[in-house]
Amino acid sequence: DAGITQSPRYKITETGRQVTLMCHQTWSHSYMFWYRQDLGHGLRLIYYSAAADITDKGEVPDGYVVSRSKTENFPLTLESATRSQTSVYFCASSPGGGQGVYEQYFGPGTRLTVT
Amino acid sequence: AQTVTQSQPEMSVQEAETVTLSCTYDTSESDYYLFWYKQPPSRQMILVIRQEAYKQQNATENRFSVNFQKAAKSFSLKISDSQLGDAAMYFCAYVRGSARQLTFGSGTQLTVLP
Repeated sequence: DAGITQSPRYKITETGRQVTLMCHQTWSHSYMFWYRQDLGHGLRLIYYSAAADITDKGEVPDGYVVSRSKTENFPLTLESATRSQTSVYFCASSPGGGQGVYEQYFGPGTRLTVT
Repeated sequence: AQTVTQSQPEMSVQEAETVTLSCTYDTSESDYYLFWYKQPPSRQMILVIRQEAYKQQNATENRFSVNFQKAAKSFSLKISDSQLGDAAMYFCAYVRGSARQLTFGSGTQLTVLP
């Protein structure tokens, strides 16, 4: 049971470059999320998706683009990376359906450094 | 907007003792869920315990229990018989029943002393 995976686990890129972080889940969960984690801020939501082809902005969406053509994949793209986007990025998923299933399950994270 | 506050950036506990981590939240909703997540040095986010707002009974998972005070909007985590493996950052999180986005607190770093 692979669960939820992220790739790469570590990435160093230069300012202005485009970079894509991948997220893949094997549970067929309806919901998927991208968070960034910075010291002193906890986790902040970047984007989320309720189903394939349905995405919406979170708290800090500027500078990021997402897509979800398949239920199991939810890539996050930084179109022109900036140093302020240096962070640890977490992908998470959550089942849809009836009341009571709201917890999210997280991937291992990607540490991104923008130089 | 909902906010989640963890007022203790750092806590420490002796092995085998009990520690309580505090969390308060602000919401006008009546239907919501609360969670505690653990993040050890491996960085993996692990769900520790959940609490449904409509349930009066406090949730318990082995050595982990919560004290849910709905009127006070307080949701503390008690860890009994602390073990070295409990050392981690602990995050409190909130989600309202009609949405799916979690709002996290800033975390409490727990150190377990041998």
